[in-house]
Order: sequence, then structure tokens, then C-alpha cells
Amino acid sequence: GESVGLHLPTLSVQEGDNSIINCAYSNSASDYFIWYKQESGKGPQFIIDIRSNMDKRQGQRVTVLLNKTVKHLSLQIAATQPGDSAVYFCAEKVGTYKYIFGTGTRLKVLA
Amino acid sequence: GAVVSQHPSRVICKSGTSVKIECRSLDFQATTMFWYRQFPKQSLMLMATSNEGSKATYEQGVEKDKFLINHASLTLSTLTVTSAHPEDSSFYICSASPEVAEAFFGQGTRLTVV
Repeated sequence: GESVGLHLPTLSVQEGDNSIINCAYSNSASDYFIWYKQESGKGPQFIIDIRSNMDKRQGQRVTVLLNKTVKHLSLQIAATQPGDSAVYFCAEKVGTYKYIFGTGTRLKVLA
Repeated sequence: GAVVSQHPSRVICKSGTSVKIECRSLDFQATTMFWYRQFPKQSLMLMATSNEGSKATYEQGVEKDKFLINHASLTLSTLTVTSAHPEDSSFYICSASPEVAEAFFGQGTRLTVV
């Protein structure tokens, strides 16, 4: 596989606060990125995507920022809720239908 | 969104036996599907690209004779873990895309080899 197998870093956030999860990608030619949420024992679920011709995209309570200069993505979750607790992965599109995943971040929401 | 279904969700098998995992696209046709492997507390690692009607493309370091992939129709890809050993225990996930953009994932299969 091409993604790096490292243990997941953890971000702990107080309920109601905003969360910011970061991701570095590898291929400067990648033109499409996705953030996924994965709950324990389940497959990844789509949260939000962004194309390389954009710097920012907003969804419901989530915002993705793309900095192509430093090959960096971030996912911002507003007013974090207990149901947001999960592992979050960024994925970059490296070929037709093909994606490579970042290392992931575990988000823990504290009551 | 599109639906990708994976079966079984959990399987326990004895060392030396083979296990087949199915990945189906329920409401779209997928000429290409992908198989990933995920160890605990780690990211998804791409194992192989499943191509309908032709041979799968394996990532570097993945044994094609151990992880047999068959993509016989536009809605079904299967991954067979042959002669499974405890180190093959992992979470296996498939994905497919209805168009050239977002990827949809199956629920995953937890394989435990005892």
C-alpha cells in the first residue's frame, strides 16, 4: 500500500468547541480531495470534498480548507458534538477512481 | 449517495483455510473497485485495484497469489484470502465510484484468523 501505517494521533475537544483536523498530502498534481469519517468497526463515510481550484468549501457545520502551496488540508468542525467522535481521514485522488489516504486523526469529544 | 455493500461483516476462520469477501455496488455499475486493508489504529492501505473483466492490479508488496481478486460483473468484486494465517487478521474494506469523483465504501469485513 502507499499510505503510511502510523498510529493515529488523537485530538480531544470539549463539546461545543470547534475542532480543526489537519492533513498533509503528497502529490502536488492531485486535483480532488475528500474528508472521510470512520466510526469504530465501520467503513469510511464521506463528509465533504474539495477540488484543487478552490481554497475553501463549506458544508453543514464542516469547512474544508486547501493550501496547495504547502500541500495541506484541514477540516473544521463547528460546535463539536459527541456524535462527531470518530477517526477522520483525508484522501487525495491520485488516479481515475483511485485514492490514497492520510494517516488519520482520532477525534474525542469530551462532555 | 451511492451504496456499496460488503459481506460478510465479520468472519472467523481457522489458519490455513480460505475466506471470500464480497463487495457489491447496489445502485450503480462499477468497472473499477478497490480493496483496502486497515490494521488497528492505522490508516487504510490500498491493496489492489479490481478491474471488471480483467486482472487486478496489485500494490507493491501485496501478494497476488494470496489475495485473489475476481471482478466478474459490473456490480461485484470478490477478495479471497487464501491459506489465511493470523497475521492476515485485519479489517478489509472495498470502495467503488459511480463517477470519476467521490468514492463510496463498503461497511468493511473484520477477518480474524485463529
